[in-house]
Amino acid sequence: DAGITQSPRHKVTETGTPVTLRCHQTENHRYMYWYRQDPGHGLRLIHYSYGVKDTDKGEVSDGYSVSRSKTEDFLLTLESATSSQTSVYFCAISEGREGSYEQYFGPGTRLTVT
Amino acid sequence: KQEVTQIPAALSVPEGENLVLNCSFTDSAIYNLQWFRQDPGKGLTSLLLIQSSQREQTSGRLNASLDKSSGRSTLYIAASQPGDSATYLCALTYTNAGKSTFGDGTTLTVKP
Repeated sequence: DAGITQSPRHKVTETGTPVTLRCHQTENHRYMYWYRQDPGHGLRLIHYSYGVKDTDKGEVSDGYSVSRSKTEDFLLTLESATSSQTSVYFCAISEGREGSYEQYFGPGTRLTVT
Repeated sequence: KQEVTQIPAALSVPEGENLVLNCSFTDSAIYNLQWFRQDPGKGLTSLLLIQSSQREQTSGRLNASLDKSSGRSTLYIAASQPGDSATYLCALTYTNAGKSTFGDGTTLTVKP
């Protein structure tokens, strides 16, 4: 158990509504990541953070924003949810010590946009 | 752009067999390669990490190798058990912020 929790674990929402997913870590790791996992596409990076208030885009960032105001929390926001954002969302953390970026994953959030 | 391929997509073996899972990548400029296991409906569990300067890592019945010159990594599972049934993914880290590209995984079924 890498000390990562995600909330909520399941959510159903309607198209056009804002949604915020939370990732919380107790490891004090520097790096945090948001991925989505879809059949046929595998895991794809949405956004990542390399420190408090330091974030950058991944390969599928359109329609998503993130914030990190504390080391332990990384929030992913869907400003206006669309059906194409129905997916399983995973948070991951990494210490990045000595050039090694071993990643540890949270349990995931299953999001359904109707 | 780093491309990561895992072949086959699915593999079924009888219990007790030794097996090899493959991971191929296109760019050898990596920081590390990591193998994960994912059970249905669950998150990813880290199995082994090989740093760029290393050739292999071992943990119990698992052995992972890395050959950057050929763009290949293998995960060897010895004496497979039904409990090994899961999807196995490899991931290549290619930036100093830990950005990674994942393969689509190999789904392993070990039959009793």
